[in-house]
Amino acid sequence: NAGVTQTPKFRVLKTGQSMTLLCAQDMNHEYMYWYRQDPGMGLRLIHYSVGEGTTAKGEVPDGYNVSRLKKQNFLLGLESAAPSQTSVYFCASSYVAGGETQYFGPGTRLLVL
Amino acid sequence: SQQGEEDPQALSIQEGENATMNCSYKTSINNLQWYRQNSGRGLVHLILIRSNEREKHSGRLRVTLDTSKKSSSLLITASRAADTASYFCATDESQAGTALIFGKGTTLSVSS
Repeated sequence: NAGVTQTPKFRVLKTGQSMTLLCAQDMNHEYMYWYRQDPGMGLRLIHYSVGEGTTAKGEVPDGYNVSRLKKQNFLLGLESAAPSQTSVYFCASSYVAGGETQYFGPGTRLLVL
Repeated sequence: SQQGEEDPQALSIQEGENATMNCSYKTSINNLQWYRQNSGRGLVHLILIRSNEREKHSGRLRVTLDTSKKSSSLLITASRAADTASYFCATDESQAGTALIFGKGTTLSVSS
């Protein structure tokens, strides 16, 4: 099992460009999450999904959109990247609701110039 | 939003010593978890303790939970250089239960 994988590992964008981060999990988990990690800030929840076809906002959703068209995939989109979105993005999944053990991907490092 | 706060922010010890990290949180919880993050990697789940538990062990890890004080501690015994990492506590919100709230982490450095 690959667990949770993220694509790409690293990306540089110019302000205003768009991109999609892909998260895939092979554990048949219902719940999936996108976090961002900034120095000194810990992890903050951007969006999450409680099942295929569902999405919900987390703590810092502005500037991001998500989609969960297939159970195993959770996409995070930046329509118009801003320097404030420079961060490391982590995807996670869990079998049951968010308070239980979450399994994390290796992260995507994004630099917006 | 509720957030766990780890203390200390950074900790440096020698191999073989014990490392203790603390976490405080603000509202009632269903459970509390500890995760480890090695530099440049994703988070790895270490241990989960439920609100009705007071202590839990896993190998060299010992976690305690005091719901009256809204605090938890993580003890790593006989530390090794490989334990060098950042450690995060994470809590759920007992009413919402939809997501974890992470603290800012404790950076542990174990030197040989």
